[in-house]
Amino acid sequence: DTGVSQDPRHKITKRGQNVTFRCDPISEHNRLYWYRQTLGQGPEFLTYFQNEAQLEKSRLLSDRFSAERPKGSFSTLEIQRTEQGDSAMYLCASSPRGLAASTDTQYFGPGTRLTVL
Amino acid sequence: GNSVTQMEGPVTLSEEAFLTINCTYTATGYPSLFWYVQYPGEGLQLLLKATKADDKGSNKGFEATYRKETTSFHLEKGSVQVSDSAVYFCALSDQGSSNTGKLIFGQGTTLQVKP
Repeated sequence: DTGVSQDPRHKITKRGQNVTFRCDPISEHNRLYWYRQTLGQGPEFLTYFQNEAQLEKSRLLSDRFSAERPKGSFSTLEIQRTEQGDSAMYLCASSPRGLAASTDTQYFGPGTRLTVL
Repeated sequence: GNSVTQMEGPVTLSEEAFLTINCTYTATGYPSLFWYVQYPGEGLQLLLKATKADDKGSNKGFEATYRKETTSFHLEKGSVQVSDSAVYFCALSDQGSSNTGKLIFGQGTTLQVKP
């Protein structure tokens, strides 16, 4: 068990470009979450997958953001036409199939730090 | 909506001092409560959790008790070490209609422990 991994760890892009991040959860974890963390703040929820189904999206997730988890394993988060306000740390977390999603521990990856110039 | 409020930092203590980081929450229903820690240059790690009222979570000398009557989950440690220097986040699991378990975090409290 190698933990949750994310790639890339850092991404610098110019405004208007598209970027894609990847998250590999802990194997056999069926729940996967994306969060965004800006400097000095706690993480904010973006979206949630149970297996391959995207079951919840935050209002923070504008139509420039899209996430997928095609085979219920890894997930990608794409941001189109990036803006300077998108600069943040993007965190992925996974949790196992337990009794209830609300009590299970979420395991976080190291994050992808996005800088939009 | 649901929310978490933590005491503002940074908190600066000398080694072996007693630590309290306050956390209060607003929630409907009966959320689970968590403390996560972020050491410099590392990702978020679960420190402890409590899933129902009056439960006490504990780990590495840290403790927090789920107090429904005061809607609080304060983090305590009797004797801090330099290695405890990190950012601490209080969080609750949102039990809205979707019941996805998504976490709502406080803004984080930075702890600095000096030798």
